[in-house]
Amino acid sequence: NAGVTQTPKFQVLKTGQSMTLQCAQDMNHNSMYWYRQDPGMGLRLIYYSASEGTTDKGEVPNGYNVSRLNKREFSLRLESAAPSQTSVYFCASSEPQGYSEQFFGPGTRLTVL
Amino acid sequence: GQQLNQSPQSMFIQEGEDVSMNCTSSSIFNTWLWYKQDPGEGPVLLIALYKAGELTSNGRLTAQFGITRKDSFLNISASIPSDVGIYFCAGQLGGSNYKLTFGKGTLLTVNP
Repeated sequence: NAGVTQTPKFQVLKTGQSMTLQCAQDMNHNSMYWYRQDPGMGLRLIYYSASEGTTDKGEVPNGYNVSRLNKREFSLRLESAAPSQTSVYFCASSEPQGYSEQFFGPGTRLTVL
Repeated sequence: GQQLNQSPQSMFIQEGEDVSMNCTSSSIFNTWLWYKQDPGEGPVLLIALYKAGELTSNGRLTAQFGITRKDSFLNISASIPSDVGIYFCAGQLGGSNYKLTFGKGTLLTVNP
């Protein structure tokens, strides 16, 4: 099992460009999440998907869109990248019950110039 | 929203020393979790605590769920160089609200 995989690993964009970060999990989890990690800020939830077909905003959703393509895949899109979106992005998955562990991918390091 | 205060922000210790870090919250959580993030990797769960007052160990790691449900601490005994990384606490309300709220992390450096 690969767990949670993310592509790409690194990306550099110019301001105004768009891109999609891909995430897939092979643990048959129902819930998936996108976080961003900035120095000194910890992990902040951007969007999450409780189950296939549903998505909800997290703490910092502005400037992002998501798509839960199927049970395995959850993508994050930046329509018009801004320097403030320079960050490390993590995807995670879990079962939707309380008390369940979230498993994280290796991250995508995005720089917006 | 809920916020977690994690301290200290960073620690620089000698190999073999014990380490303690903690998290406090302004509101109650029903689950406390401790994650470790190695450089260039995603966070990995170390310990999960499900009951107020619970004390749980995982090798050299010990964590406790505070009796008020508003705090938790993590101790690492006899530190080794591979303990280097960022340690995050996370709180979860549980039930239908399974999202995690993360602390800002404690950066641990171990000098061999």
